[in-house]
Amino acid sequence: SQQGEEDPQALSIQEGENATMNCSYKTSINNLQWYRQNSGRGLVHLILIRSNEREKHSGRLRVTLDTSKKSSSLLITASRAADTASYFCATDTGRRALTFGSGTRLQVQP
Amino acid sequence: DADVTQTPRNRITKTGKRIMLECSQTKGHDRMYWYRQDPGLGLRLIYYSFDVKDINKGEISDGYSVSRQAQAKFSLSLESAIPNQTALYFCATSRSTGPDTQYFGPGTRLTVL
Repeated sequence: SQQGEEDPQALSIQEGENATMNCSYKTSINNLQWYRQNSGRGLVHLILIRSNEREKHSGRLRVTLDTSKKSSSLLITASRAADTASYFCATDTGRRALTFGSGTRLQVQP
Repeated sequence: DADVTQTPRNRITKTGKRIMLECSQTKGHDRMYWYRQDPGLGLRLIYYSFDVKDINKGEISDGYSVSRQAQAKFSLSLESAIPNQTALYFCATSRSTGPDTQYFGPGTRLTVL
C-alpha cells in the first residue's frame, strides 16, 4: 500500500486562486518531498521539508508538515495556468527508497 | 531532464517478447531506480540500486529484472512481456549522501499487445 496518500485526487480552480493539496502517511519519516509531473513526463522535485521542520517556503509554494498527524500540505498561491499538473508527495524513511503517493491532479483554468 | 535519459521513449511489443529499457545518467549519482506508473496512479518502485554492486527489489519486482552495468547505467528487462505490464516506466537517480531527492528521466511508454 502507498505510504503517502494525497487528497483531493483532483482539483480544479481558476487562475489567481490558491490551490491546497494534502498528503497523509503512515510511518515515521526523515523528510517529505513534493514533486510535480506534467502530463506523461518525468517528475520534477519541488520542495523538501525535514521531519524537524513545520513550514517551508519556496516562491509561490508553501509546505507544512505535522508529524503528530502524519500529514503535510502543499499550497500554491496565485495559481497560473502553467501550474496545471499532477503533484505527488513522497516520503523518505531513510530505510530504502522514496515512497510516492497517488497524486493530486490540478487543473488551473485561465 | 537531459541529465537522465531513457531509451526507447516509446515501445510497442507483443506478449511473450523480451524487452529491455535502458537508463543513462550524467549526474554522477550512485543511486538509481526504476518505477512504473499506471494511469491515475502514483509511482510504484520496481528495483533500485544504491551502487554498482547493489541491487534491491522494490514492491513490484515480479516479472522484471535489472542490470547495473556501470555507475551511469541501469537497465530494466521484462523477460516475457505481458499486457498488464503496459505502463509508463521511469528511471530516477539520487545522491548517496544527504536527502534522497530524486531526478527523473523522461519516461518510456511501453505497450504490450
